[in-house]
Amino acid sequence: AAGVIQSPRHLIKEKRETATLKCYPIPRHDTVYWYQQGPGQDPQFLISFYEKMQSDKGSIPDRFSAQQFSDYHSELNMSSLELGDSALYFCASRWRGAGGTDNEQFFGPGTRLTVL
Amino acid sequence: GQQLNQSPQSMFIQEGEDVSMNCTSSSIFNTWLWYKQDPGEGPVLLIALYKAGELTSNGRLTAQFGITRKDSFLNISASIPSDVGIYFCAGQKAAGNKLTFGGGTRVLVKP
Repeated sequence: AAGVIQSPRHLIKEKRETATLKCYPIPRHDTVYWYQQGPGQDPQFLISFYEKMQSDKGSIPDRFSAQQFSDYHSELNMSSLELGDSALYFCASRWRGAGGTDNEQFFGPGTRLTVL
Repeated sequence: GQQLNQSPQSMFIQEGEDVSMNCTSSSIFNTWLWYKQDPGEGPVLLIALYKAGELTSNGRLTAQFGITRKDSFLNISASIPSDVGIYFCAGQKAAGNKLTFGGGTRVLVKP
């Protein structure tokens, strides 16, 4: 079965550079979530999109922005990178059309960002 | 800040043993999910719970949604080496909402 695809899998950047992370949800999934996981920590919610509109916002720095496109893929843009931005960034997707009790979010393999 | 308290933080298992871990919260969640994460990989969904009091099994895994909707536990029976990893509970307030994760339980093999 198709899973969530994230690219790149690994990214190395210098301080103050910019980075773009991409997420391709499971086919027919219309909702995308971004999470950040620091070393030894649990994933923290950043932002989510449903039908190309922002649906919720968590602890996402102002230096970061994201969007969802017409094909439902999403991109997380990160500017003025700081050392503390080094983390695993996960995208998860869900089919909101499921309604009812089907609330499962399926995670991608993540992008490991290292800021030097 | 983190709303879910997951315990234990880490535990050692010997093949064949049963394993238990739990999550508690000061607030109500309407969905509880349990994920397993291997190093450098994304969390993989193990079990989803939707109703207070619900007991759900998935192979050797059994999870329960606490009656107060503020807690959940996960049991792994007859553990095997591939059960090693980090297990996270996650709570969700409403359908489609963000997930709030517990701190994780790191399951290791006894030396």
